[in-house]
Amino acid sequence: GAVVSQHPSRVICKSGTSVKIECRSLDFQATTMFWYRQFPKQSLMLMATSNEGSKATYEQGVEKDKFLINHASLTLSTLTVTSAHPEDSSFYICSAREGKGGDYRHQPQHFGDGTRLSIL
Amino acid sequence: DQQVKQNSPSLSVQEGRISILNCDYTNSMFDYFLWYKKYPAEGPTFLISISSIKDKNEDGRFTVFLNKSAKHLSLHIVPSQPGDSAVYFCAASAGQTGANNLFFGTGTRLTVIP
Repeated sequence: GAVVSQHPSRVICKSGTSVKIECRSLDFQATTMFWYRQFPKQSLMLMATSNEGSKATYEQGVEKDKFLINHASLTLSTLTVTSAHPEDSSFYICSAREGKGGDYRHQPQHFGDGTRLSIL
Repeated sequence: DQQVKQNSPSLSVQEGRISILNCDYTNSMFDYFLWYKKYPAEGPTFLISISSIKDKNEDGRFTVFLNKSAKHLSLHIVPSQPGDSAVYFCAASAGQTGANNLFFGTGTRLTVIP
């Protein structure tokens, strides 16, 4: 159980292109989804948290106009990197957390397989 | 500032023996800790977690120990199997105010030798 699907797994595109990455929870309803970024040889860093039906909460230093997040349903969140530039090249990974009962904060996050974004 | 640290980048263990992966943290507000396992080209897979109200949680071959006074947790895998070879990440979060933000270590690559 607890499968999260992320698509695409790899994107190579030209500078100035906007890129959309999808994150789906396949067998559970994800009240909250998270978007992370990982730089080489560093740990995952949270970019933003999205709750279904409301605006995303961005971490300090993350440009919300550059990284558009939509969480339209309990099973789907999208991250759009707008007008991407070479410095946006990175590994992006989403996770999802169930919000059912008990202390939802102590539910584990389940991760997708990530998207390797390369901007030429 | 790395709030969660895994000081051993790699560990090799013989099949059948115990694997012990270590993790240290600096933020005393952390109250929930997790271990994830990651294979190449895949996302991290949740393995086991522990709340700060406990000092031990066991699930099959996997046991996590938490020493709050030392700000240290460890993952024990026994017996180790070749399929356990992967990168293991520990992560922590801080309850009420920081439940959404998981702080990750940089990972330990475990190799189980047949």
